[in-house]
Amino acid sequence: DTAVSQTPKYLVTQMGNDKSIKCEQNLGHDTMYWYKQDSKKFLKIMFSYNNKELIINETVPNRFSPKSPDKAHLNLHINSLELGDSAVYFCASSQVTRADTQYFGPGTRLTVL
Amino acid sequence: DQQVKQNSPSLSVQEGRISILNCDYTNSMFDYFLWYKKYPAEGPTFLISISSIKDKNEDGRFTVFLNKSAKHLSLHIVPSQPGDSAVYFCAARVYNQGGKLIFGQGTELSVKP
Repeated sequence: DTAVSQTPKYLVTQMGNDKSIKCEQNLGHDTMYWYKQDSKKFLKIMFSYNNKELIINETVPNRFSPKSPDKAHLNLHINSLELGDSAVYFCASSQVTRADTQYFGPGTRLTVL
Repeated sequence: DQQVKQNSPSLSVQEGRISILNCDYTNSMFDYFLWYKKYPAEGPTFLISISSIKDKNEDGRFTVFLNKSAKHLSLHIVPSQPGDSAVYFCAARVYNQGGKLIFGQGTELSVKP
């Protein structure tokens, strides 16, 4: 059973398109996160949600909009895709009391042409 | 401004020997430090953590040391095994910011038989 899953695993699209990445966790965690790993391999936090409420919102363009329909899901919608959005996006989850131990999904490699 | 730095992009070690991975940080507002391990095409997996009030934590073959005065931590793997070959990320949790982790850029460890 996959603990944190993401779909799709690969996403290739044209500049200007809108796309979504889905994330689901079956660990019963109450906090979920989105990270971006850029071409230099830095993993940077973008957002986190606790019980469907946004608690971390880093300096991310407002073309990126996270949506949490319930505490097991955190989806990432990106509008008007740009070349610089090409990266690997990782979803993660944790218990708020153990936010140091985050469980990561396998990643979604987004390529914008 | 990179608050968590791993200055060695790669490390090669013989099987059975000790692997030492290093990490430096600049922010005094970190309350936990963590090491994550990442295989290609997978998400990072939690390995071991240490509270900022401790100076050592051990789990099997893995030991993390924290030197607060030098703002330095290290991960020791003894003995190293070929299956330990992966990218290791050092991360630090920002105090009271909802689980926000700041990651280093990773060190690729290669353990040769």
